[in-house]
Amino acid sequence: KQEVTQIPAALSVPEGENLVLNCSFTDSAIYNLQWFRQDPGKGLTSLLLIQSSQREQTSGRLNASLDKSSGRSTLYIAASQPGDSATYLCAVKRNQAGTALIFGKGTTLSVSS
Amino acid sequence: EADIYQTPRYLVIGTGKKITLECSQTMGHDKMYWYQQDPGMELHLIHYSYGVNSTEKGDLSSESTVSRIRTEHFPLTLESARPSHTSQYLCASSVGGEGEKLFFGSGTQLSVL
Repeated sequence: KQEVTQIPAALSVPEGENLVLNCSFTDSAIYNLQWFRQDPGKGLTSLLLIQSSQREQTSGRLNASLDKSSGRSTLYIAASQPGDSATYLCAVKRNQAGTALIFGKGTTLSVSS
Repeated sequence: EADIYQTPRYLVIGTGKKITLECSQTMGHDKMYWYQQDPGMELHLIHYSYGVNSTEKGDLSSESTVSRIRTEHFPLTLESARPSHTSQYLCASSVGGEGEKLFFGSGTQLSVL
């Protein structure tokens, strides 16, 4: 059974710091991996999607990497800002035909000014 | 910006009431999903649909039911709400093909007294 773990559960940093959020999954046979952002009381916004054949994806100050063989992904946030404060969720898709994403519990990030 | 809408945003009702949570998307996506999320916990898939007149149960057992009569509309119904149904319900949609990036609505926070 695929399980997704995110460490740390919570993180507080001062504005301007670079930071890394970690995601690990138990079954390396995945189709893709997505990173989402969730603001309090709201839905999820997809940030980056990495196909199983890819090693990384970049969008602005965000960079996500994928090491399928070791069952790990990282989300790197450069020059953090207070507006980055949110919960970041990692989710894996088992296969192309499979429908469900398996989510981690998320890392809650707080960036202070 | 994704065009997927959920109503109501918040709902507080008494035990035994019948409720319907609405979800609509204007992107023409064939695939739609309902996820359930408790505070600090993972999202779990409770229902999904691959198109009109297609509905399936997800990984997490739920007493709710869904229907898909129109592509853009995917309502979720609870015939008799109970306190155990208190949770956040998130609707999502995606287009088929490689990637299948998910777009989420803002969610409905349901409280059953």
